[in-house]
Amino acid sequence: AQSVTQLDSHVSVSEGTPVLLRCNYSSSYSPSLFWYVQHPNKGLQLLLKYTSAATLVKGINGFEAEFKKSETSFHLTKPSAHMSDAAEYFCVVSFNFGNEKLTFGTGTRLTIIP
Amino acid sequence: SQTIHQWPATLVQPVGSPLSLECTVEGTSNPNLYWYRQAAGRGLQLLFYSVGIGQISSEVPQNLSASRPQDRQFILSSKKLLLSDSGFYLCAWSEIRELFFGEGSRLTVL
Repeated sequence: AQSVTQLDSHVSVSEGTPVLLRCNYSSSYSPSLFWYVQHPNKGLQLLLKYTSAATLVKGINGFEAEFKKSETSFHLTKPSAHMSDAAEYFCVVSFNFGNEKLTFGTGTRLTIIP
Repeated sequence: SQTIHQWPATLVQPVGSPLSLECTVEGTSNPNLYWYRQAAGRGLQLLFYSVGIGQISSEVPQNLSASRPQDRQFILSSKKLLLSDSGFYLCAWSEIRELFFGEGSRLTVL
């Protein structure tokens, strides 16, 4: 069975410092991987996705993630945090094509310290 | 461009009352549609998905049901709400392994 683990439920960083949100997955097949962001009481917005092309994926708002098959990881990074980055972030894995049955991580709440 | 509408945005209902949440998608045909529930601190749980009119798959046994009366309309229902049905409900449609979400409906059952 597929699964995804977000290693930190809460991350706090100072404005202007780097962001690292960690995600590991388990799979017997090549997955598609996504990061979504959710601001309070809002729907989810796609930040970036990996679908077996380049292992370093660049997304919106300066975020990027690197797919490392040997480590079964897909960590999300940003060089310099901005106050507007404060939100909940979800790592998501998909192994099924057609019905897009995705498995969501439990989320990481990112707090930005002024 | 495609858009997804979900309503109502907020709902407070007593235990035992019925529920109807509606979702419509514009700008696409025959989308795959999904209902997710988000409980506090638990990520998103897939409740139902549909690949076409009248075709509903349920992921978890529960007090809820879903229907797809039209190509771009997806409805989440309950005949009698339970306290445990409280949560944030999200409708979504998919294209090429990417999900597009509505703004969500916050349901509080008292």
